[in-house]
Amino acid sequence: GAGVSQSPRYKVAKRGQDVALRCDPISGHVSLFWYQQALGQGPEFLTYFQNEAQLDKSGLPSDRFFAERPEGSVSTLKIQRTQQEDSAVYLCASSHNRADQPQHFGDGTRLSIL
Amino acid sequence: KQEVTQIPAALSVPEGENLVLNCSFTDSAIYNLQWFRQDPGKGLTSLLLIQSSQREQTSGRLNASLDKSSGRSTLYIAASQPGDSATYLCAINDYKLSFGAGTTVTVRA
Repeated sequence: GAGVSQSPRYKVAKRGQDVALRCDPISGHVSLFWYQQALGQGPEFLTYFQNEAQLDKSGLPSDRFFAERPEGSVSTLKIQRTQQEDSAVYLCASSHNRADQPQHFGDGTRLSIL
Repeated sequence: KQEVTQIPAALSVPEGENLVLNCSFTDSAIYNLQWFRQDPGKGLTSLLLIQSSQREQTSGRLNASLDKSSGRSTLYIAASQPGDSATYLCAINDYKLSFGAGTTVTVRA
């Protein structure tokens, strides 16, 4: 597709359930980022992939959060045993293989934990 | 850790006024700075990107400046319109983006 695609757009889960969020980056983009945006705040960095390699996961808030990009294209962010504080918008971005290239964002997945 | 601050947090102006949005950051070792627009319930739309070697960037009614030595960037929007109402975010790129909390702009018709 022409842009970054994220699915689902909305996800409601009960506390304690596991969820999986998908990101399909722009074709040919080597770098992929996940961000978390709480209500009324700017996005916060979670993790970074270059192709299939996860080079930085310093922003993942706990070991319940796990991300993968096994074939260097589509990425999945998984949250295990969800908590209410996990409620947020999860944004995915991709860019070319240079740090000075702009990041292009998807519309995000709005996650609500009941 | 990069700290990014945006002032003011909210701004309301009548249509036709010029807008001035401020962004400050603490670490000048950056690749570039991006300004984004975010409409309610939507993702981020990139407005302007200023490389670290540049002083300003322009696109239509938008102009953004960058002063790395003082850790500041300013986004100017000329002749504001109601359609400019949105939240504007600045982001510092040191390979990952560090965002400010944004400035929410309301342009009154």
